[in-house]
Amino acid sequence: DAGITQSPRYKITETGRQVTLMCHQTWSHSYMFWYRQDLGHGLRLIYYSAAADITDKGEVPDGYVVSRSKTENFPLTLESATRSQTSVYFCASSQASGRAGEQFFGPGTRLTVL
Amino acid sequence: LAKTTQPISMDSYEGQEVNITCSHNNIATNDYITWYQQFPSQGPRFIIQGYKTKVTNEVASLFIPADRKSSTLSLPRVSLSDTAVYYCLVGSPYSSASKIIFGSGTRLSIRP
Repeated sequence: DAGITQSPRYKITETGRQVTLMCHQTWSHSYMFWYRQDLGHGLRLIYYSAAADITDKGEVPDGYVVSRSKTENFPLTLESATRSQTSVYFCASSQASGRAGEQFFGPGTRLTVL
Repeated sequence: LAKTTQPISMDSYEGQEVNITCSHNNIATNDYITWYQQFPSQGPRFIIQGYKTKVTNEVASLFIPADRKSSTLSLPRVSLSDTAVYYCLVGSPYSSASKIIFGSGTRLSIRP
């Protein structure tokens, strides 16, 4: 089905472990984004990508790594998870550039770091 | 970089019209105003976008005064299902996506 999917939907891990969150979109959108949303707060941009092999930092990139070898996939890796990275992670995609493009969001991944 | 200010929360009743105002005093010439809606445990969903005057779609209306320093999202005849968090974003299609800021949004609660 067309759309944007995230996996896993729920993840529990331990401090220090590496975790990769997956994001896949079927629209061939140029732009993809990763946000985190802490309980009761708005979304904060972690990283974004304008196209395959082009990524850039957002507001809160520390502790995260991204890659984009294919247009449709944008994985987010926590190289050494910390408790402060417990959050809900949303992936989004957009065809338009810049900050005015309509973004389509995935269902989110709820990550708990013990 | 245009900063936005919204009320933290609002309450209303079913069948009423709800207006949520967003202030963006430093809006730039090329900036658009975009509103998103987020239900619990879901990602945000695009509602409406405008540049000036009034925009209307099947879900909402967006009113933007001539000075563009604020905007008002209007939801006609709300129902319980409109209970959500609403985010106002300001940005240009020509600028970097790195500064996208959703803020804390407005938590709208609709009562029977």
